[in-house]
Amino acid sequence: AQKVTQAQTEISVVEKEDVTLDCVYETRDTTYYLFWYKQPPSGELVFLIRRNSFDEQNEISGRYSWNFQKSTSSFNFTITASQVVDSAVYFCAQATLQGAQKLVFGQGTRLTINP
Amino acid sequence: ETGVTQSPTHLIKTRGQQVTLRCSSQSGHNTVSWYQQALGQGPQFIFQYYREEENGRGNFPPRFSGLQFPNYSSELNVNALELDDSALYLCASSLAPGYSGNTIYFGEGSWLTVV
Repeated sequence: AQKVTQAQTEISVVEKEDVTLDCVYETRDTTYYLFWYKQPPSGELVFLIRRNSFDEQNEISGRYSWNFQKSTSSFNFTITASQVVDSAVYFCAQATLQGAQKLVFGQGTRLTINP
Repeated sequence: ETGVTQSPTHLIKTRGQQVTLRCSSQSGHNTVSWYQQALGQGPQFIFQYYREEENGRGNFPPRFSGLQFPNYSSELNVNALELDDSALYLCASSLAPGYSGNTIYFGEGSWLTVV
């Protein structure tokens, strides 16, 4: 069975600090996809990134970066120079490849950026 | 804006009643999935519809049912509402059922409160 664990329930930092959100996943599949979504108070899940299991290259998009390490089954997300607008709940998720397009989500990390 | 729209945005129902939630998928997307997100939790997969047929189901009882229409819009129906059904219900649309690298887009959700 697949499982995604986000051990950090809440994180609070001061604006401009760097912050890393941890994600650990479990799967028996050799091919899988990992995601990060941002959920503002409005409720909509905003897609941030998708990574397949064959691509372990780290990715950077502006102030956001992702570190995928298959050896430790981790897919961590770092925000550099955080801003108040980054405040939200962040979810890590894993997708199955067989049958239904089902996302398995972690519990989420509530990130608060204080001015 | 993801192009996925859900209605109603908020609603309150009494225990034992029935509710219907609606979702319009992004243009061209033929696959719709529904997720339940309880307060403080990650979204849980309810089921998926592809070309008007149920294509996969999570661990939810039969009183959770759905429909997909020829224009790919979808409904989620919940009968005999229970207090624990209070949650944010999210609709997601994508191009294909089995994950093939396509992005999954979410709507803003319908907040259901059962009293």
